Amino acid sequence: DQQVKQNSPSLSVQEGRISILNCDYTNSMFDYFLWYKKYPAEGPTFLISISSIKDKNEDGRFTVFLNKSAKHLSLHIVPSQPGDSAVYFCAASVMGTYKYIFGTGTRLKVLA
Amino acid sequence: DSGVTQTPKHLITATGQRVTLRCSPRSGDLSVYWYQQSLDQGLQFLIQYYNGEERAKGNILERFSAQQFPDLHSELNLSSLELGDSALYFCASSPGTGQQGYTFGSGTRLTVV
Repeated sequence: DQQVKQNSPSLSVQEGRISILNCDYTNSMFDYFLWYKKYPAEGPTFLISISSIKDKNEDGRFTVFLNKSAKHLSLHIVPSQPGDSAVYFCAASVMGTYKYIFGTGTRLKVLA
Repeated sequence: DSGVTQTPKHLITATGQRVTLRCSPRSGDLSVYWYQQSLDQGLQFLIQYYNGEERAKGNILERFSAQQFPDLHSELNLSSLELGDSALYFCASSPGTGQQGYTFGSGTRLTVV
C-alpha cells in the first residue's frame, strides 16, 4: 500500500523554465511534508518542507504547494537550472510517529 | 559531506550470510533512522532509534535487527541474506524526532550474490 505516490518517474525541462513535480498521498492524517533531492552516489538532501497548517512555502527558487482537500502537493522550481537535475522524493509524516513515508521519486532532467 | 557517516560504502556477500552496516550520526543528533531503497523503489523506512532506544519500527524483516550504542552510532544487522535484500541502505540522523527533516548519509550498497 503506497501511501505516498509520485506518478511521474521522470520529467525533462528546458533550462530557465519551470519544473513542477507532483506528489499525492492517501493518508489524511499526514500533517508534515518534505521534499528531498538526491544526486547519484549521494544520500538524499533536505530541500523544503511544509506543514498542514500552510498551503505554500517558499525558499528561493523552490516553492512547495499543499492542497489538503486533494491530498496533493507539488514542488515548483523556477527558474530550473542544469544543477537541479536529480531525483526528487516527497515524504510525509504524522506528527509524533517519528517516521516519514517516501514516494518512489521523480527523476528531473534540466536541459541546457 | 552531510556529517552522517556510513560504512562500508559497498558490500558484496553471498546468500545466507550475515552483514553489519554501521552509521555515525551527525554531531549532536540523537535520532538515527534506517531506510532501504531497492531498485526503482522509494525509500522504505526500517527503524528509528532515539538516544539508544527504539522509537519506531517500519517494514523491517525479522532477519534484520538494529541497535544504537551509547556513543550514538548505530548498526544494522542483516542475517540469512537473500538475493532480494540487495539494495541501498541509508542511515539518517536528526537532532530530535525528525519533524525538521533528516540528514542522510551516502548509503551502503549491498549486493547479495
